[in-house]
Amino acid sequence: GAVVSQHPSWVICKSGTSVKIECRSLDFQATTMFWYRQFPKQSLMLMATSNEGSKATYEQGVEKDKFLINHASLTLSTLTVTSAHPEDSSFYICSARDRGVSGNTIYFGEGSWLTVV
Amino acid sequence: AQTVTQSQPEMSVQEAETVTLSCTYDTSENNYYLFWYKQPPSRQMILVIRQEAYKQQNATENRFSVNFQKAAKSFSLKISDSQLGDTAMYFCAFIFYNQGGKLIFGQGTELSVKP
Repeated sequence: GAVVSQHPSWVICKSGTSVKIECRSLDFQATTMFWYRQFPKQSLMLMATSNEGSKATYEQGVEKDKFLINHASLTLSTLTVTSAHPEDSSFYICSARDRGVSGNTIYFGEGSWLTVV
Repeated sequence: AQTVTQSQPEMSVQEAETVTLSCTYDTSENNYYLFWYKQPPSRQMILVIRQEAYKQQNATENRFSVNFQKAAKSFSLKISDSQLGDTAMYFCAFIFYNQGGKLIFGQGTELSVKP
């Protein structure tokens, strides 16, 4: 079946540096991908909608310059956390919609744990 | 505004028994999909069951079934013959037909299945 792969699964970075997380749809084309953030014991909070070939759409309260999203191809979206700070430490997870066989099936990546030290 | 509410932050059930997780939502739209996702400690999001809003028949997947009441905007999940592996966070969510897959999630219910 369709799979969304997210990389890296774990990343530790120093405060002030940038870190990139990749989200790939492995056997389907995803014109739209979504990036969520999840704090412990909480729900998934949508950060932005990644649109292939155009600018991402950010949710209210999400800093565009801090969380850079690039969707350069139909199978890859990247989230770059710029000038990371400890408060950016969180679980980040992406999803993509396969409109193909079953119409509206959403697939999630495995998620990425970011720790900023 | 579209919202999803799960009023039970935590629930527990004995192994082999049945448990029902509640979910209500609010939308003025008519065409949407509803989902229940399971998130075990690994954090992987696993689709448990989905329901098309235009279908009156309640969806069923093995031990999992839903009670979909469209007029009441209610979408509860029933887990029968609970197993230890069912222990996880459960999220109710919905998307609109033509909104590209943007899921709106509830707050989640942490389910513990006790031996």
